[in-house]
Amino acid sequence: DIVMTQSPDSLAVSLGERATINCKSSQSVLSRSNNQNYLAWYQQKPGQPPKLLIYWASTRESGVPDRFSGSGSGTDFTLTISSLQAEDVAVYYCQQYYSTSFTFGPGTKVDIK
Amino acid sequence: EVQMVESGGGLVQPGGSLRLSCAASGFTFSSYWMSWVRQAPGKGLEWVVNIKYDGSEKYYVDSVKGRFTISRDNAKNSVYLQMNSLRGEDTAVYYCARFLSSGSYYDHWGQGTLVTVSS
Repeated sequence: DIVMTQSPDSLAVSLGERATINCKSSQSVLSRSNNQNYLAWYQQKPGQPPKLLIYWASTRESGVPDRFSGSGSGTDFTLTISSLQAEDVAVYYCQQYYSTSFTFGPGTKVDIK
Repeated sequence: EVQMVESGGGLVQPGGSLRLSCAASGFTFSSYWMSWVRQAPGKGLEWVVNIKYDGSEKYYVDSVKGRFTISRDNAKNSVYLQMNSLRGEDTAVYYCARFLSSGSYYDHWGQGTLVTVSS
């Protein structure tokens, strides 16, 4: 199975500042056939289901603010919140869908400093 | 509007059984793969099982193989999770989620149903 790790476990950022979350997969999730990275990012607020933010590692889901961006390829990925807003306080998860057995990262909690 | 509503959760004793349901609406259910994903209290997300749009393929996480069974009824726009031989570590909120094809991401999730395994 592909193991996903995230860093840091948590971070506190001042309003308007940048937040950066890293995600690493134990093997490449880049498909040679279509040159796509099978990596998604989700945001989960307390008491709510996860919400899709980014798919194919860097494609923003419709309606997601453009302060959220994804980057990376192969085994190393990053979610960036360019200017943290109060409503961005949440736990963020990466997920690989490269294999038939999906796996999630352990999550990164983002708070306001 | 896409909606998925889970039901069937509750308190069950260790070794017991429970059947979860997820009723979908607002989209062509028979075109989508479906999953169950769970989240233990205060913990992260854990993928549990996938089922293909026609039910012909199923993939399970190792920890539930032989105990959980996923099924679907496209005529009723529903997916089910039969959970047997339940353990304390199965205690979690269980979400159903959809994805369009093998090798695709979850674009919609249900609100979840809580399963508590305790004596």
